[in-house]
Amino acid sequence: TQLLEQSPQFLSIQEGENLTVYCNSSSVFSSLQWYRQEPGEGPVLLVTVVTGGEVKKLKRLTFQFGDARKDSSLHITAAQPGDTGLYLCAGVVRGAQKLVFGQGTRLTINP
Amino acid sequence: DSGVTQTPKHLITATGQRVTLRCSPRSGDLSVYWYQQSLDQGLQFLIQYYNGEERAKGNILERFSAQQFPDLHSELNLSSLELGDSALYFCASSVTSGSSYEQYFGPGTRLTVT
Repeated sequence: TQLLEQSPQFLSIQEGENLTVYCNSSSVFSSLQWYRQEPGEGPVLLVTVVTGGEVKKLKRLTFQFGDARKDSSLHITAAQPGDTGLYLCAGVVRGAQKLVFGQGTRLTINP
Repeated sequence: DSGVTQTPKHLITATGQRVTLRCSPRSGDLSVYWYQQSLDQGLQFLIQYYNGEERAKGNILERFSAQQFPDLHSELNLSSLELGDSALYFCASSVTSGSSYEQYFGPGTRLTVT
C-alpha cells in the first residue's frame, strides 16, 4: 500500500497546454515536497510546503498544499518540452521522522 | 550540482558478487539516505544514517548493509548480488533540522548485475 498516491502515473501532452498532477494520502503530513527527476539523474528539490492551504509559485509551476495537509497538487501552465521528467511528491508524516515518496508522475511534453 | 557526490557512476558485475557504493554528503549535512530505484519505479527508501548512527531502516535486504564514517561519507555494501538488484542507487543528504527534511540527491550509481 502506497502512503502517497500520485495521479496520473503517466501524462503526455502538447507544448502549451496546462496540466495538474495530484498527490494524495489519508495521512497528515508535517510538510510536503515536490521533486523533479530527469532520466539518469538524481531528483532535484523544487519546493517545500508546510502550512495547510499554502500556495507557492515557481515560474510556470504552482504548488498547493491541501487545507488538511493530506494532499498536494502541482499545476503547470503553458507546458514546455523542458518540463519533461518524473515528478515525485514526498512527505514527512506528522510524528514520524522520515520522508516517504510517491511513485511519481512521468510527464512528457511533446513539441 | 547538489553538492552530493557518488561513486562510481556505473558498475557492472556478475551475480553472486559484492560491491560497495560510496557517497559524500553536502558540506555540513549530517544525514545520509540511500534509495533504490528500479526501472520505471519510484524511489524505495533503504536506510538513513545521522552523524554516524543508523536512524531509520526501510525496505533494505539482509544482503545489503551500510555505514557512515566519522568524516560523514557513507558506503552501501551489496552482497550476493542477484539480477533483480540491478537498479539506480541514490544517496541523498540533509541537515535534518526542523521538520522539512529537505533532501539533496547525488547523481546516482547505476548497477547492472549480469
